[in-house]
Amino acid sequence: GIQVEQSPPDLILQEGANSTLRCNFSDSVNNLQWFHQNPWGQLINLFYIPSGTKQNGRLSATTVATERYSLLYISSSQTTDSGVYFCAVDTGRRALTFGSGTRLQVQP
Amino acid sequence: DSGVTQTPKHLITATGQRVTLRCSPRSGDLSVYWYQQSLDQGLQFLIQYYNGEERAKGNILERFSAQQFPDLHSELNLSSLELGDSALYFCASSSSAGGSTDTQYFGPGTRLTVL
Repeated sequence: GIQVEQSPPDLILQEGANSTLRCNFSDSVNNLQWFHQNPWGQLINLFYIPSGTKQNGRLSATTVATERYSLLYISSSQTTDSGVYFCAVDTGRRALTFGSGTRLQVQP
Repeated sequence: DSGVTQTPKHLITATGQRVTLRCSPRSGDLSVYWYQQSLDQGLQFLIQYYNGEERAKGNILERFSAQQFPDLHSELNLSSLELGDSALYFCASSSSAGGSTDTQYFGPGTRLTVL
């Protein structure tokens, strides 16, 4: 099956810093989503982005499908951004395959 | 709030028991997906239903079963529970059967603890 690798596995930032999270995948995808899992365990949709670039406030994402990677940018980070960020892809089998996540800790 | 609801939020039970987890999809969504998140295996797809019919199957154990009812809510049944079944179980929903424009929205999850 498809392999999804996320980097870095862990990231510690000071409040106000910017960061880039990366997701590499091993095959063509129909669907790519980024999620934020907050400390209470909730999975929150950030982006649906199988290709191209999208922005939502301080977050933006870019997927280069031909090169099989996606990037999530977080600017001016806040403590509420802490949690685990997951990339998930679907090759058309109707199931999302998740990466192992990037654990982000934003310190005040 | 994703619009997907799951009950109960927490469940504590003993080995060998059987439990039922319930999910109501977003209004208008016909597909329901179940995922398991455990410490050792991460987030894994279990099964998908579309408009009452099973559409895709992942790493779902034979001790687990699911169904989707005419009102589109879904139940995941876990039987002969083992310690290793302790996990966070998510339900997700989407509008279509699956494909290139199919965003999945996740519920808050049910945290199952097997003692």
